[in-house]
Amino acid sequence: DIQMTQSPSSLSASVGDRVTITCRASQSISTFLDWFQQKPGKAPRLLIYGASSLQSGVPSRFSGSGSGTDFTLTISSLQPEDFATYFCQQTYSLPPYTFGQGTKLEI
Amino acid sequence: EVQLVESGGGLIQPGGSLRLSCAASGFTFSTYWMTWVRQVPGKGLEWVSRINTDGTTTTYADSVKGRFTISRDNAKNTLYLQMNSLRAEDTAVYYCTRALFYYDSGGSHYWGQGSLVTVSS
Repeated sequence: DIQMTQSPSSLSASVGDRVTITCRASQSISTFLDWFQQKPGKAPRLLIYGASSLQSGVPSRFSGSGSGTDFTLTISSLQPEDFATYFCQQTYSLPPYTFGQGTKLEI
Repeated sequence: EVQLVESGGGLIQPGGSLRLSCAASGFTFSTYWMTWVRQVPGKGLEWVSRINTDGTTTTYADSVKGRFTISRDNAKNTLYLQMNSLRAEDTAVYYCTRALFYYDSGGSHYWGQGSLVTVSS
């Protein structure tokens, strides 16, 4: 199985900060990498698919980059509603399509 | 608008069985692969199972293989997860998911609200 290692596991930041979260795959996954945001008691929400494509309706302050084994999610200027937990998921080749362990973004 | 609505969760004793349903609307259900993902409350996400468009191809995580069965009824626009021999470690919120694109067999881009399954005596 492909292992996804996300870092950091938690992060403290302020409104207006630029934040970067990374996800590393245990083998090359091309650009089969998605990013999700999850708030307490809610289902995950897709932010970025295919490593860098912004999902419709997601603010442009969110961006994704990377290919192969190393990926990043960047929030260019944190807003109060961005404080949440973020997950990456790989969907390369055959299942299981593993998730990173999550990054909790706190004020 | 894509809508996925799970139902069927609840409290069940270890060794018991439960069937989750996911009612789909807002899209042509029969043309999309579907996937179940679960999450222990307060913890990470775990991919569970997927099924192809006509139900002939199914895949499972090792942790549920032989105990869970995914199926679908395209006439009813409904996805199912039959869970047998339930264990305490199966306690989780179970999400029904769909990819963005019909040709994507792996993506979990649209999510239902989730259904909580609690396995406890």
